[in-house]
Amino acid sequence: QVQLVESGGGVVQRGGSLRLSCAASGFTFKSYGIHWVRQAPGKGLDWVAVIWYDGSNKFYADSVKGRFAISRDNSENTVYLQMNSLRAEDTAVYYCARDPGGITSSLDHWGQGTLVTVSS
Amino acid sequence: DIQMTQSPSSLSASVGDRVTITCRASQSIGSYLNWYQQKAGKAPKLLIYAASSLQSGVPSRFSGSASGTDFTLTISSLQPEDFASYYCQQSYITPFTFGQGTKLEIK
Repeated sequence: QVQLVESGGGVVQRGGSLRLSCAASGFTFKSYGIHWVRQAPGKGLDWVAVIWYDGSNKFYADSVKGRFAISRDNSENTVYLQMNSLRAEDTAVYYCARDPGGITSSLDHWGQGTLVTVSS
Repeated sequence: DIQMTQSPSSLSASVGDRVTITCRASQSIGSYLNWYQQKAGKAPKLLIYAASSLQSGVPSRFSGSASGTDFTLTISSLQPEDFASYYCQQSYITPFTFGQGTKLEIK
């Protein structure tokens, strides 16, 4: 079955860095785009970034542009989110999600999330 | 960026009720609109994609529709497991913005 497992979350000081991983299994990973979506405690969903199936295109939310970088290793079935210059407002559960692409984009499978806490 | 305005932000209803949640886009997005359900402490789940297509495995009491820049999620007869938060998301252009969510509670 389709599985996405996030890891790498934790507590980091303001201005610090963290790298999240999203390990995929149960599907042909190299055929799917992968998104990161975050959710601050008690708040709604906030789209962060996407990487296309082949890594050829990457897009970011304005709030993380220049600080976060998404990448993927199709040989390892893994997507990464490198987060630098972290701020208190980056504190959230970070989810990765699969995008089957096609005519429209949607997030049809999600991981369980990993918590990032930025302390001051 | 495209703004997605979802209403209401919260809603109380009873089992068996018909419920409608609305999402309005700040500009035309065609049918590039998805709906998700999220239960407390869990990851979101895709319900509807492309405005009106039911995701595999989702009960048929869920439906979606569109009229211009207005989109609607309807639950025809609420079941106990439907009490959750619901989010719309536009996938027309990045950033793929979400609505602020609707919390559906038991009356």
